[in-house]
Amino acid sequence: EAQVTQNPRYLITVTGKKLTVTCSQNMNHEYMSWYRQDPGLGLRQIYYSMNVEVTDKGDVPEGYKVSRKEKRNFPLILESPSPNQTSLYFCASSLRRAGAGELFFGEGSRLTVL
Amino acid sequence: AQSVTQLDSHVSVSEGTPVLLRCNYSSSYSPSLFWYVQHPNKGLQLLLKYTSAATLVKGINGFEAEFKKSETSFHLTKPSAHMSDAAEYFCVVSDLHRRFQKLVFGTGTRLLVSP
Repeated sequence: EAQVTQNPRYLITVTGKKLTVTCSQNMNHEYMSWYRQDPGLGLRQIYYSMNVEVTDKGDVPEGYKVSRKEKRNFPLILESPSPNQTSLYFCASSLRRAGAGELFFGEGSRLTVL
Repeated sequence: AQSVTQLDSHVSVSEGTPVLLRCNYSSSYSPSLFWYVQHPNKGLQLLLKYTSAATLVKGINGFEAEFKKSETSFHLTKPSAHMSDAAEYFCVVSDLHRRFQKLVFGTGTRLLVSP
């Protein structure tokens, strides 16, 4: 089954404790992206990747890192989480550039930073 | 830069009545426009997309949207609401960012369907 898989789905952590949210897709997609969803703000893009070893900042990249060492994986790293990073995070992938095609989303990772 | 405005944060309808979710966009060129749906505790799913072909676009689950350039609108409609349509809906416009297209999401409209 074609899918985007995120882990963990739910996480509660404390300020400053490094964490990684993994994202994997099995559709051989070139494009992958991370979004955060906050009430009243819709989805905002954090980082995206056009291909392996090619990543770029989105609209809200501060406090986040990403890597794209393999085509299928695109982990999101929070080196020193802070409470303002409490949010619902979505990973998405697309066969082509995001505007040209459909985005496939994971089911989300709800992160709480205390 | 492109932007999209969803005019209602919440819309309530009764089952069997029509649905109208409003979306206006701003764009300096011919945009691609999308509607995504998010059911509770799920990721977003593409409902339909407009990419400069027919202005009336049909999507899944009986939804459709009409692209009106003169009104810069892309409203989502359905003739008869079903309980399973209760979800959050996002209007999305494509934007050019450093030579690539990126998607700009609206703030969402929550559709409530009562029996």
